[in-house]
Amino acid sequence: DAGVTQSPTHLIKTRGQQVTLRCSPKSGHDTVSWYQQALGQGPQFIFQYYEEEERQRGNFPDRFSGHQFPNYSSELNVNALLLGDSALYLCASSWRKGAPEGTEAFFGQGTRLTVV
Amino acid sequence: LAKTTQPISMDSYEGQEVNITCSHNNIATNDYITWYQQFPSQGPRFIIQGYKTKVTNEVASLFIPADRKSSTLSLPRVSLSDTAVYYCLVGGGGATNKLIFGTGTLLAVQP
Repeated sequence: DAGVTQSPTHLIKTRGQQVTLRCSPKSGHDTVSWYQQALGQGPQFIFQYYEEEERQRGNFPDRFSGHQFPNYSSELNVNALLLGDSALYLCASSWRKGAPEGTEAFFGQGTRLTVV
Repeated sequence: LAKTTQPISMDSYEGQEVNITCSHNNIATNDYITWYQQFPSQGPRFIIQGYKTKVTNEVASLFIPADRKSSTLSLPRVSLSDTAVYYCLVGGGGATNKLIFGTGTLLAVQP
């Protein structure tokens, strides 16, 4: 059983470009959340997708957008990249219907984005 | 969502028991307490979760007092490979699954 998989693992982009990051959730999970982790900081919540809709959003500008597909996989898109967008982008999946029992999210290895 | 406070760093030696305490004074009735471990350039890994009293699994124990305003993660007999950042999170009640991470505790285990 594969866990959460993210692609690519590393990416270098130029300021002003656009980037798409991909995530496949753990088998059986239906909810995908995205986090941004700057160096030396804890992960910061970007947004969460469930049933192909954005359900919650953190304090991130509209340059950050996403999508969830019928197979529960997800994409994170960032437009007009800034140097400050350089970070480790983490995808986490969980089983929403099981959430009342507590929350156990499984994280992928992340995508290291460097904006130059 | 409740804010958490935990020490920035801790030092230990191999074979010792390590206890990391987290304060969460504003924890809500339906909040769970969850601990994650993170190694450099990897995603956080779930360690343990609890609601009240004591929870134990194969890697750690979680102690939660009756008022639930704090919790303590206990790692028995740590090894060098336990050197990592440990995050305490509260939340998850209901179907939100939104996780709020603080800065975590950097545990450094020395030989």
